[in-house]
Amino acid sequence: GNSVTQMEGPVTLSEEAFLTINCTYTATGYPSLFWYVQYPGEGLQLLLKATKADDKGSNKGFEATYRKETTSFHLEKGSVQVSDSAVYFCALIVDKVIFGPGTSLSVIP
Amino acid sequence: EAGVAQSPRYKIIEKRQSVAFWCNPISGHATLYWYQQILGQGPKLLIQFQNNGVVDDSQLPKDRFSAERLKGVDSTLKIQPAKLEDSAVYLCASSSSANMNTEAFFGQGTRLTVV
Repeated sequence: GNSVTQMEGPVTLSEEAFLTINCTYTATGYPSLFWYVQYPGEGLQLLLKATKADDKGSNKGFEATYRKETTSFHLEKGSVQVSDSAVYFCALIVDKVIFGPGTSLSVIP
Repeated sequence: EAGVAQSPRYKIIEKRQSVAFWCNPISGHATLYWYQQILGQGPKLLIQFQNNGVVDDSQLPKDRFSAERLKGVDSTLKIQPAKLEDSAVYLCASSSSANMNTEAFFGQGTRLTVV
């Protein structure tokens, strides 16, 4: 079946550190891939997406590249800020959306 | 632009009681979703509406959960009777298109605790 696996959290980083949150997937067919973010006390928001292999999604300094050969969609940011503290969800869509379990990120000054 | 509105924000009930959640999507959005998010897990789709018709309810526990979207706007999700394992955050989302690659906008959710 279709599934999404994310690195376990919580992840704690110092401000300006490099961020990678790993995401791998299993899917039949050709899924679209998404990263959603949930800031404290707020609803889920779409962060970025990629709809086909080798596409790179980017937003707010975050990037992720759709790697079909490794079935991965890792989220990266070169320099995190305290305001990036949130829970990040990787998701895929084939016939329905499947979310990963989420990775909590805390950025400390 | 107003976002997706949900109420109540929090609800505590005893097992075997019933509960209802309300969602008002973004104006003009034809597609509405209800998700269940259990603590430590990602959201799981319960039901998807296109206007007032059900597109997908394959993961809705129909023996106790029901949902409706009268007039293709607001929606309610009901649980009757509730079980302890129904404790979760219930998220409503809406989208301008049934194309699942179209961005869905989420409400803040209703946190349900069943005791």
